[in-house]
Amino acid sequence: SYVLTQPPSVSVAPGTTARIPCGGNNIGNRNVHWYQQKPGQAPVLVISFDTARPSEIPERFSGSNSGNTATLTISRVEAGDEADYYCQVWDTSGNPYVLFGGGTKLTVL
Amino acid sequence: QVQLQESGPGLVKPSETLSLTCTVSGGSFSSYYWTWIRQPPGKGLEWIGHIYYSGSTNYSPSLNSRVSISVDTSKNQFSLKLSSVTAADTAVYFCARGDSSGWPFDNWGQGTLVTVAS
Repeated sequence: SYVLTQPPSVSVAPGTTARIPCGGNNIGNRNVHWYQQKPGQAPVLVISFDTARPSEIPERFSGSNSGNTATLTISRVEAGDEADYYCQVWDTSGNPYVLFGGGTKLTVL
Repeated sequence: QVQLQESGPGLVKPSETLSLTCTVSGGSFSSYYWTWIRQPPGKGLEWIGHIYYSGSTNYSPSLNSRVSISVDTSKNQFSLKLSSVTAADTAVYFCARGDSSGWPFDNWGQGTLVTVAS
C-alpha cells in the first residue's frame, strides 16, 4: 500500500525558511494537500493541490511537488507557525481512500 | 460559513459500538463527501471513511470490517458506527467535508474525544 513519509520534527529560527518534506513513491503524480494543526484544535487546510493557497492563509505558505517528494515551505517563519503539519493524498487506484503522512512538528526556536 | 459539530458519548466500553453524529449547519449538505477522521492521543491523523450525500460510502481498508457511515439528509447529519472497540480506538474523532474524491478537507468539526475503557 502507498505510504507517505514525513520527518517527525523540523526546527527553525524566526524569520528563516522552514521546509517540510513529504515523501512517497512518484508522489509528483498525485495531488498533495497540507494541513496545519495547533494543540487542541482541528486541522486547517493551508495548501491544496500541491500549490494552491486558500485566501485566508498567508502568502508565506507555499507548496511544491515533484518526483518522490512534496514540500511545504513556510517563509519568514513566525512563532505562531509552530504546529504539526500533515500531508495528505488520495489513493484512487481502486475504491478511493485517503492517506495522511505521519506529521511533522515544526518548532520555532 | 459551514459549521460541523460532532456529538456522542465520550466513553465507550470495550467490545461495544462507538456511535457519533456530525451535524452540518450554515451551508449546503448536497454534493459533498462527508468524512470521519480520527487522531489517537499524541499521534497522527487517520482517515476512517466517507459518505457521499447520496449515500454511497468508502471505508479505510484497515477498519472496513467494523465501520459503518450513514447519512440523514433531512437533518443535515451523518453518523459513524465503529463496532467491537478496544482501547486502540481511543481517539479524538473529527468530522470533515470534502468537495469530491481527490479534493482536500476544507471544513472540519472541532473534534470529540472518545475513550474506550471499562
